Amino acid sequence: EAGVAQSPRYKIIEKRQSVAFWCNPISGHATLYWYQQILGQGPKLLIQFQNNGVVDDSQLPKDRFSAERLKGVDSTLKIQPAKLEDSAVYLCASSPYGGAYEQYFGPGTRLTVT
Amino acid sequence: DQQVKQNSPSLSVQEGRISILNCDYTNSMFDYFLWYKKYPAEGPTFLISISSIKDKNEDGRFTVFLNKSAKHLSLHIVPSQPGDSAVYFCAAPTGNQFYFGTGTSLTVIP
Repeated sequence: EAGVAQSPRYKIIEKRQSVAFWCNPISGHATLYWYQQILGQGPKLLIQFQNNGVVDDSQLPKDRFSAERLKGVDSTLKIQPAKLEDSAVYLCASSPYGGAYEQYFGPGTRLTVT
Repeated sequence: DQQVKQNSPSLSVQEGRISILNCDYTNSMFDYFLWYKKYPAEGPTFLISISSIKDKNEDGRFTVFLNKSAKHLSLHIVPSQPGDSAVYFCAAPTGNQFYFGTGTSLTVIP
């Protein structure tokens, strides 16, 4: 079974630029999560999708971050414009159904904002 | 607001000995806890979980203990192996949110 795929693995941008991350969850997994992990901290949940609908985006800075999951499969997370404090690893995870607590994580995208 | 806390950023243990990783929480509404293991440049992988109706769950070399009155859980690895060297996160879901601790970096010395 293929795991959660994310791209790119690394990205370096200047502040005020835009960036987008892509995630392909495990086939058949209905729930998809985006996390931000700042160095030295645990992952922080930004947004959760159930199929193509948003379940929770209370921690998403909506003035600059946006996410979508078209057709209930792949998802993209965008930052526009980026700030220095957005430097972090962005992790995507999926789980087979809503309420399943065990999540399968992708390798993450390491973003550096200079 | 750090609802899940791991106060030890690092731990070193000799191969074959027991590793004990600790986690404290503040939210009494948590009813399920998970441990994840993370190697460098990889995403976290699920290791073991425990429901609040239990005080112990065991899976091979890994055992998680839950003390609800103290709002404390611990992960025991015995015997520890060099391949166990990784960062360990405890996590707890509530509602639609998941809360992760800051992680403990375990080094198992051969």
